[in-house]
Order: sequence, then C-alpha cells, then structure tokens
Amino acid sequence: EIVLTQSPGTLSLSPGERATLSCRASQSVSSSYLAWYQQKPGQAPRLLIYGASSRATGIPDRFSGSGSGTDFTLTISRLEPEDFAVYYCQQYGSSNTFGQGTKLEIK
Amino acid sequence: QLQLQESGPGLVKPSETLSLTCTVSGGSISSSDYYWGWIRQPPGKGLEWIGSIYYTGSTYYSPSLKSRVTISVDTSKNQFSLKLSSVTTADTAVYYCARHGLAAAGRFVDVWGQGTTVTVSS
Repeated sequence: EIVLTQSPGTLSLSPGERATLSCRASQSVSSSYLAWYQQKPGQAPRLLIYGASSRATGIPDRFSGSGSGTDFTLTISRLEPEDFAVYYCQQYGSSNTFGQGTKLEIK
Repeated sequence: QLQLQESGPGLVKPSETLSLTCTVSGGSISSSDYYWGWIRQPPGKGLEWIGSIYYTGSTYYSPSLKSRVTISVDTSKNQFSLKLSSVTTADTAVYYCARHGLAAAGRFVDVWGQGTTVTVSS
C-alpha cells in the first residue's frame, strides 16, 4: 500500500501570503494519479486538483498542483480568508490512500 | 445536480455490524462511468478509503478492512450500502459515501455525501 506523508502538519500564514503544501509518497504514484482536497470544519472534503495538476471545475486559479513520481505540491498563490482549512492529498494509482492532512491556519 | 445522502443508525454496539445506505439522487447509479464508494474519518483524524462498488456489483476494498467489509448495490432503488462487521470503538467515525470515476485516471472523488456520524459504544 502506498503511504502518503504530508508536510507540514500545520502551516500558519496570513491572508495574501503564498502557501506551499507537500505530499510525499512511499512509492512512485503511477501516471501522477494524485488529487488534492480541501476540508472545512463540519463539511465534506471538496476536490481541488486531480491528475497532480488539473484544477477541478470551479476552483480558482490561485490553486495549483505540481509534481510527479513521489513528490507533489499544492500551491495557493495568494491566500484568501476562505482558504484556511485542512488539505488532503490522495493517490488513486494503486488502490486509494489519503495523506494525514495539513492544517492551514491564520497567523 | 447529483446528490448523495447517507442514512443508518448513529450508534452501534461493539462486536455488532455497522450498516449504512447511500441514496443517489439527480443521476443514475447505473452509469457506466463511475464507481460508488465509502470513505470514513475518525474524530479529529484524516480520511480512510473503505471500498467501492460498480453498478454491476464488482467491488474492491481497502486491504486493511477487507475481511470485515461488504459493499452492495441496489440499482432499482438507486442505492448502495456498507456493512462493517465486528466493530470496535476504533470504527467510530464520520462515514461518507462518494462517487469516483471508473477509469484509473478518473478515480478521484468528485461528489461527496454530507457524511453521517457513527459511534461505536455499549
């Protein structure tokens, strides 16, 4: 089973700053089958990015994904107040596994 | 607009079987393009994929839960269901039903239910 490790566990930033979240896989993720989700308290996760770099429908272009193999990154170029949430990565190339999450909090 | 709604008991006793149903509205569960799955989230923790089913009944499960999980589908009711046997307090979680693509490139979750909390306690 592919294990996904996200870092940092918590990221404290201010609105307007740039956020960089990391997701590292224990084995190569085939064909960059990696997704990112955003989850706010009391809500279901929302798909942001799939295929490592493709934005889902309706997702603002300040969200971008990159990476391949075992190292992937979610970047939020300029943080808006509504972006503070928990972010999860998921690989779906070999069964399905999720990372443990990164909490993005207001500094 | 496709919607998913979980239903079932919110309290289950240890060693018993957890049973949940997901009702699909605004679309057909018999679509050839999608799998229907279950994902859970223990309190304060991350997401764990449980398993998925195709409308034909073909399933695949998380290796760590496979021995205790059964997912079934009822196309006449546009529903799919989860059974998790021999539950313990570690199975306490919010349970989400979800949709993901059939093809490997599409197996990310694009539609989620709102989630239902299941507590395992005597």
